[in-house]
Amino acid sequence: QSVLTQPPSVSGAPGQRVTISCTGGSSNIGAGYDVHWYQQLPGAAPKLLIYVNNNRPSGIPDRFSGSKSGTSASLAISGLQTEDEADYYCQSYDSSLSTYVFGPGTMVSVL
Amino acid sequence: QVQLVQSGAEVKKPGASVKVSCNASGYTFTSYYLHWVRQAPGQGLEWMGVLNPNSGTTGWAQKFQGRITMTRDTSTSTVYMELSSLRSEDTAVYYCARGLYGGNRGEFDYWGQGTLVTVSS
Repeated sequence: QSVLTQPPSVSGAPGQRVTISCTGGSSNIGAGYDVHWYQQLPGAAPKLLIYVNNNRPSGIPDRFSGSKSGTSASLAISGLQTEDEADYYCQSYDSSLSTYVFGPGTMVSVL
Repeated sequence: QVQLVQSGAEVKKPGASVKVSCNASGYTFTSYYLHWVRQAPGQGLEWMGVLNPNSGTTGWAQKFQGRITMTRDTSTSTVYMELSSLRSEDTAVYYCARGLYGGNRGEFDYWGQGTLVTVSS
């Protein structure tokens, strides 16, 4: 089991806003390590979606946004679209484990 | 454009070793670290280790201590990850991923397409 926790799934209707939480602890997010988010479409490699808490790489729509506070981070998807159906993973670093860590992933479904 | 192209799928018997390659192009090979991340069927992502293509130095997760070897060939901009003493639990898709950092920070901004390694008797 991961030191980062995420809800197994979230869902929303097209056009709605959904949020995915990523909760850690004092040795990872709470220690000040940055949080990054990845989108993994079915059968594809992960793709960087948000880096350093709230930054979007070139080409990522501004419908995707990230935030971080205390021992948690969140990914928000506004104006939900069918092509957003994917698994989403948060990632950080854990000083106790001395390793990069990923959350277990959240499946986003568009109703 | 940045590309990471990995070698093809492998089927190995328990106890054997597998060596996966990752050829980088579209950027200065020695300017970025290359990480290895794996994903078991239906499971999440697991960081395995990292190689500095400039110096050749490596780091890995404690879980893979003694079983993982990462090397590089700067003449072909290729990194290799070898995992030994394979067991069924090592069945997974193995990804290489580029990172600006190799220590305790940073994101993975480009990923290879993945290499499926199946361990079965």
